[in-house]
Amino acid sequence: KNEVEQSPQNLTAQEGEFITINCSYSVGISALHWLQQHPGGGIVSLFMLSSGKKKHGRLIATINIQEKHSSLHITASHPRDSAVYICAVSKGSGGGADGLTFGKGTHLIIQP
Amino acid sequence: EPEVTQTPSHQVTQMGQEVILRCVPISNHLYFYWYRQILGQKVEFLVSFYNNEISEKSEIFDDQFSVERPDGSNFTLKIRSTKLEDSAMYFCASSEKGQVLHSPLHFGNGTRLTVT
Repeated sequence: KNEVEQSPQNLTAQEGEFITINCSYSVGISALHWLQQHPGGGIVSLFMLSSGKKKHGRLIATINIQEKHSSLHITASHPRDSAVYICAVSKGSGGGADGLTFGKGTHLIIQP
Repeated sequence: EPEVTQTPSHQVTQMGQEVILRCVPISNHLYFYWYRQILGQKVEFLVSFYNNEISEKSEIFDDQFSVERPDGSNFTLKIRSTKLEDSAMYFCASSEKGQVLHSPLHFGNGTRLTVT
């Protein structure tokens, strides 16, 4: 069983729609990351959070530690938001330099 | 904005050959990582490096792999004898502080390794 599960795997929506991507994890974590991977392959860190909620522009990330669940929301979605969104967790096992455990990603397409 | 630089962007090699993938992390960062992504699969952790030694490594990082920080700026991943299954995108990442201190990761654009 994967330690990090994302849903949905694929999501196609119309421009302007409110988008929600979910992530559940089954292990203890020190932090959860939301990352964006563009078609060219590059990975960009969007959020790193261990509690509560963070907002950056049209992106909002929330985490519920008790339920081991996080969501990434995109408001007023735009075609340029089309990308793979990846949830990853840090288990805090490497003395500070621990590697992330990744989900499989959600492939988001926003149609004009 | 400073960025992590990886070279080459694409490397093709024959099975059994040695390859060295190079990375220049952000200059004030202290923690360095290698990840890989086989085509169509999720990203996987290989190794982390801090204070000139390996901090953590995954099961994937076997004796065929090694990492080095040969000078003050480069961070390299060496695969001694490549196999077909080593074909993947390899990402270098760095962070200013460790993950437990909630220091975000900065990724390079990756090196696509093709083993023929």
